[in-house]
Amino acid sequence: DAKTTQPTSMDCAEGRAANLPCNHSTISGNEYVYWYRQIHSQGPQYIIHGLKNNETNEMASLIITEDRKSSTLILPHATLRDTAVYYCIVRVDGSQGNLIFGKGTKLSVKP
Amino acid sequence: EAQVTQNPRYLITVTGKKLTVTCSQNMNHEYMSWYRQDPGLGLRQIYYSMNVEVTDKGDVPEGYKVSRKEKRNFPLILESPSPNQTSLYFCASSYYPLGETQYFGPGTRLLVL
Repeated sequence: DAKTTQPTSMDCAEGRAANLPCNHSTISGNEYVYWYRQIHSQGPQYIIHGLKNNETNEMASLIITEDRKSSTLILPHATLRDTAVYYCIVRVDGSQGNLIFGKGTKLSVKP
Repeated sequence: EAQVTQNPRYLITVTGKKLTVTCSQNMNHEYMSWYRQDPGLGLRQIYYSMNVEVTDKGDVPEGYKVSRKEKRNFPLILESPSPNQTSLYFCASSYYPLGETQYFGPGTRLLVL
């Protein structure tokens, strides 16, 4: 699975959009981009995933660049409860084995 | 409600005293796995199971055992715990072949003295 690079930490004002970047320059054609988050010591929670097209669900939007070498997770209206570590993971859909969680981005949403 | 449950949530034990951490899921998932999380090391997979009676080692299996006798349960067994197994443990499940999401349990915090 391709490696990902994320900023160590980010701050966001409550009510504003949080834009979390992820670089995955070695991503291959059949690898998906997944986002999970972990709120302090709780189990990681799936947010969204995509292959090429932008995706949106009730939690977030995922914007993938045309060359697929980077992506951005967007939380449109961040709340204090969105404070968490956000992990960007790339993997082949349907493959066995584990999700490889890197260090992620610590997002702090401030009042 | 779809969920993965783990018990106990917190456990303090002593070196060498066998323990079992249970994991159960109610989503009829084929795939289940165990992770441990340590500061600076992130989440690392211990064991996984692709279905009943099918288990395999993850990245850090030493000192652990698992079994998968029923689809919904995947207990983690520490036959002779040691202090370096002090950690936060997560169980996860998903459909297999692995699809879009794994569901994680709430975690078990283990302290081995």
